[in-house]
Amino acid sequence: DTGVSQNPRHKITKRGQNVTFRCDPISEHNRLYWYRQTLGQGPEFLTYFQNEAQLEKSRLLSDRFSAERPKGSFSTLEIQRTEQGDSAMYLCASSLDSASGANVLTFGAGSRLTVL
Amino acid sequence: QKEVEQDPGPLSVPEGAIVSLNCTYSNSAFQYFMWYRQYSRKGPELLMYTYSSGNKEDGRFTAQVDKSSKYISLFIRDSQPSDSATYLCAMRGISGSARQLTFGSGTQLTVLP
Repeated sequence: DTGVSQNPRHKITKRGQNVTFRCDPISEHNRLYWYRQTLGQGPEFLTYFQNEAQLEKSRLLSDRFSAERPKGSFSTLEIQRTEQGDSAMYLCASSLDSASGANVLTFGAGSRLTVL
Repeated sequence: QKEVEQDPGPLSVPEGAIVSLNCTYSNSAFQYFMWYRQYSRKGPELLMYTYSSGNKEDGRFTAQVDKSSKYISLFIRDSQPSDSATYLCAMRGISGSARQLTFGSGTQLTVLP
């Protein structure tokens, strides 16, 4: 297992186009998270899944954003009708729900989106 | 006002120096406190986490949490050029709005050889 894998690493698109990012979590992890990070800022929570169920969405996740995790394995994050303000690093993380409660997140390398 | 405030830096120190990185927070529901390191164009990687108040040491790194002051710190001893990165504090609670990990904005550290 090589950790959390994200693809593509960098996507350049024109305003108004749709883009999709994929995340493959650590195989035994049942929780999967999407975060967004802009330059000079820390990551901000977007949404999270426990197995295949999407349990929480941030108000940052507008109607143009949709995330899925079919069969509780990989996840996709789609952004429709992209805007220049969507330019950011999209980070995926996974964790294992444990009795300790620490719920430590392991992050992928991120998918960088540039909207022209 | 953000829930988590972090000294923005940037911070530049000579090799071998002791580095102190700090965050303050406002949400008293936060119970788990973490430090992540992020190299340029990479994802954050976990350095340390602590639960509630106290100190935790791991090699050259020491994390301190003072819940009464809502203040956390990360100390790096004998800093190395390979420590050059952005350091992010992060914290969460166990319920309600504090359930998800909230990050500071990061401190960029450069250790000069």
